[in-house]
Amino acid sequence: EIVLTQSPGTLSLSPGERATLSCRASQSVSSNLAWYQQKPGQAPRLLIYATSTRAAGIPDRFSGSGSGTDFTLTISRLEPEDFAVYYCQQYGTSPYTFGQGTKLEIK
Amino acid sequence: EVQLVESGGGLVQPGGSLRLSCSASGFTFSNYAMNWVRQAPGKRLEYVSAVTTDGGRTYYADLVKGRFTISRDNSKNTLDLQMSGLTPEDTAIYYCVTATGWYGYWGQGALVTVSS
Repeated sequence: EIVLTQSPGTLSLSPGERATLSCRASQSVSSNLAWYQQKPGQAPRLLIYATSTRAAGIPDRFSGSGSGTDFTLTISRLEPEDFAVYYCQQYGTSPYTFGQGTKLEIK
Repeated sequence: EVQLVESGGGLVQPGGSLRLSCSASGFTFSNYAMNWVRQAPGKRLEYVSAVTTDGGRTYYADLVKGRFTISRDNSKNTLDLQMSGLTPEDTAIYYCVTATGWYGYWGQGALVTVSS
């Protein structure tokens, strides 16, 4: 199965700063990559699919890029509500798999 | 408003069985493939099982194959997961999700704890 490795494990930033989260796949997933946000006690929420398409209602400060094996989620200007755990997921090859998550915390 | 509401979670002994259900509303349920995804404490999200829109085909992660059975009833807008032969490694929050490759809509999750 395809292994997704996210980096860094934890990212400490302040509101207003730019966040860059990475996701690397053990083999190509083409553009079949999604990003999710999860806050404590809540289910994950879809942010981005098809590498760069924002889900309905997602602010445009969230953007995704990449292809093949290397992907990036960028949050252009952090808002207080953005501090959470972020997961990438590939759906290019079954079984679909997730990364281990990046925790975005307030510095 | 899209809603997915899981039920049926709880504490079960190793080797036991449990049936999870998911009630869907706010969208055309029969148009979506559905999956179960779980999250064990401190672990990454994990695909468990999938069912096609008409229920005709089902798929399972290797870890649960032969122990779990997924099914759906499009007339009732429900998704089920029958789990048997449970082990402590099955302890997790189980989410009902719509599947379009990506997982667009999630339920709030049902906690399954396997312990003696």
